[in-house]
Amino acid sequence: ILNVEQSPQSLHVQEGDSTNFTCSFPSSNFYALHWYRWETAKSPEALFVMTLNGDEKKKGRISATLNTKEGYSYLYIKGSQPEDSATYLCAFSAGNMLTFGGGTRLMVKP
Amino acid sequence: DAGVTQSPTHLIKTRGQQVTLRCSPKSGHDTVSWYQQALGQGPQFIFQYYEEEERQRGNFPDRFSGHQFPNYSSELNVNALLLGDSALYLCASSLELAGIYEQYFGPGTRLTVT
Repeated sequence: ILNVEQSPQSLHVQEGDSTNFTCSFPSSNFYALHWYRWETAKSPEALFVMTLNGDEKKKGRISATLNTKEGYSYLYIKGSQPEDSATYLCAFSAGNMLTFGGGTRLMVKP
Repeated sequence: DAGVTQSPTHLIKTRGQQVTLRCSPKSGHDTVSWYQQALGQGPQFIFQYYEEEERQRGNFPDRFSGHQFPNYSSELNVNALLLGDSALYLCASSLELAGIYEQYFGPGTRLTVT
């Protein structure tokens, strides 16, 4: 059974704060690491798919790094805005099936 | 492009009944996966369909079955419903690109079993 863990479970920050979350996953049989952003009552939205050790991806104020040798990925949000409030999910894939972590619920206060 | 759509949005069933959930994939996608998200947990993989066959299955009992149609749309069937089957059911469609399956999710069907 694959174990994908995310921390923290929830996070409250003030508007303008920068923040980061962690996803840890098995370092063997690695194929890809996915990050999703999931707002309440909407579909999970793909942020990044990361495949190579040392990968860094950026989308606006959100960026992610990947370390496949030690089995972790960080998601960073610079200058958080209220519209960043959502659950951030990471998922490990060893092929075409995703194994998700429990998510980090981010709440940004104006 | 409508993206991935699911129906119905919400459903209430009684223990012991059977339910069918439906999913239409994103245009051009040929693979459909189903996930169950229980309260407070991340989505858990149920199974995946490709070319109308179940390609991979997670740790779910045989009460959970599915089907994929020639137009790539899919159904998830759950028989003999239990209270513990209450969850959000997500459908995701994907297309392989260079060995990577980027999965696009629908908004889910909220199933409540009473």
